[in-house]
Amino acid sequence: QMKLQESGPGQVKPSGTLSLTCTVSGGSVSSSNWWSWVRQPPGKGLEWIGEVYHSGDTNYNPSLKGRVTISVDKSMNQFSLKLNSVTAADTAIYYCAYSGVDGFDIWGQGTIVIVSS
Amino acid sequence: DVVLTQTPLSSPVTLGQPASITCRSSQSLVYNDGNTYLSWLQQRPGQPPRLLIYRIFKRFSGVPDRFSGSGAGTEFTLKISRVEAEDVGVYYCMQTLHFPYTFGQGTKLEIK
Repeated sequence: QMKLQESGPGQVKPSGTLSLTCTVSGGSVSSSNWWSWVRQPPGKGLEWIGEVYHSGDTNYNPSLKGRVTISVDKSMNQFSLKLNSVTAADTAIYYCAYSGVDGFDIWGQGTIVIVSS
Repeated sequence: DVVLTQTPLSSPVTLGQPASITCRSSQSLVYNDGNTYLSWLQQRPGQPPRLLIYRIFKRFSGVPDRFSGSGAGTEFTLKISRVEAEDVGVYYCMQTLHFPYTFGQGTKLEIK
């Protein structure tokens, strides 16, 4: 059974860059599906950040105004999120997710990132 | 962006009674392959979201049959036939047809 696990710093300074990695086990990032990042501010709803295909093709949420980069590392079986120029509004639980033919059917446990000096 | 509006935002339900959540979309979610890309997710307290229903009514693997989805075009419904204690949490509808993918605001299901 495929599992996803987020990792990365739990705190980032304002104006800095948030960097997270999602490690895939029991499956391959080279499979013909998309790999997404979703975030959830404390006590609030879900926001889709963007997705990457194994080819490196990406789609992003325009609300993030060009601050986001999602990439895939097939050798490590991982995909990553970089969000630059962060502010307190970027404080959230960040989830990686697999969007198979059935929808977003596998999610990581999530990792909390706090933007604070 | 496609706006998904859920009602109600809070739903107190007695154990064993039914519950229903509606999701209205600002745009059609029907793709030219004939499928409608509307899903329902459950988020239990302290847990990541979990896929319950995809393409309006298809129940995901392992989801109890007390959960069902219905609807068409721009109006969709999630029904729980008999609420159990483990169903407490927040329910989201989600569309994966138009970029950016979007979620409803969430409906909090709680036990009376």
